[in-house]
Amino acid sequence: GAGVSQSPSNKVTEKGKDVELRCDPISGHTALYWYRQSLGQGLEFLIYFQGNSAPDKSGLPSDRFSAERTGGSVSTLTIQRTQQEDSAVYLCASSLRHIGASGRAGQYNEQFFGPGTRLTVL
Amino acid sequence: SQQGEEDPQALSIQEGENATMNCSYKTSINNLQWYRQNSGRGLVHLILIRSNEREKHSGRLRVTLDTSKKSSSLLITASRAADTASYFCATAVRDNFNKFYFGSGTKLNVKP
Repeated sequence: GAGVSQSPSNKVTEKGKDVELRCDPISGHTALYWYRQSLGQGLEFLIYFQGNSAPDKSGLPSDRFSAERTGGSVSTLTIQRTQQEDSAVYLCASSLRHIGASGRAGQYNEQFFGPGTRLTVL
Repeated sequence: SQQGEEDPQALSIQEGENATMNCSYKTSINNLQWYRQNSGRGLVHLILIRSNEREKHSGRLRVTLDTSKKSSSLLITASRAADTASYFCATAVRDNFNKFYFGSGTKLNVKP
């Protein structure tokens, strides 16, 4: 079946403009994650969705960043008034099952990643 | 920071040799996962090891976990040029399985 897709694959924008990044998770995956990866660095967690709700927004760098998910499927990450430091690859991942705080032994939360959107802010 | 940190940052070996990468973390975890990334784009899941497991195998991959030392290692045996990539460990924190902390990765170069 189809994997996680992201669009656009590349985005070049001018400082101060708004951008919207899209993620299509694997069908049936209830959990969706956004990460940011600067050049040569590891992944920085941004936000997590379970269904349409985002119980953890703690990773969003500033109030210029927002994300939503509708219909438990497609998610959009919006960056307002982009700055040069926002330049990075934005990665989306989805996984099949939500693991609650109580947890259960044996539950599996492999993440499937999309190819990313490379954002360049001039 | 609760990030996993990989060591070494870069590793260059000849084809056929074994490659060992290490990951250290700071907090109690539910599980630890290793991912591979080619060309700075999407990551591919390699293997998951739970906190109550000590060793796991998958093909040419062997992962160990030492929760007392808060460390894990990934061994790739009989490496191939196609194994050239960046390798990341990701920790699922015990009290919040929904957040994953990724390290900065090990860049592996396998020379043919």
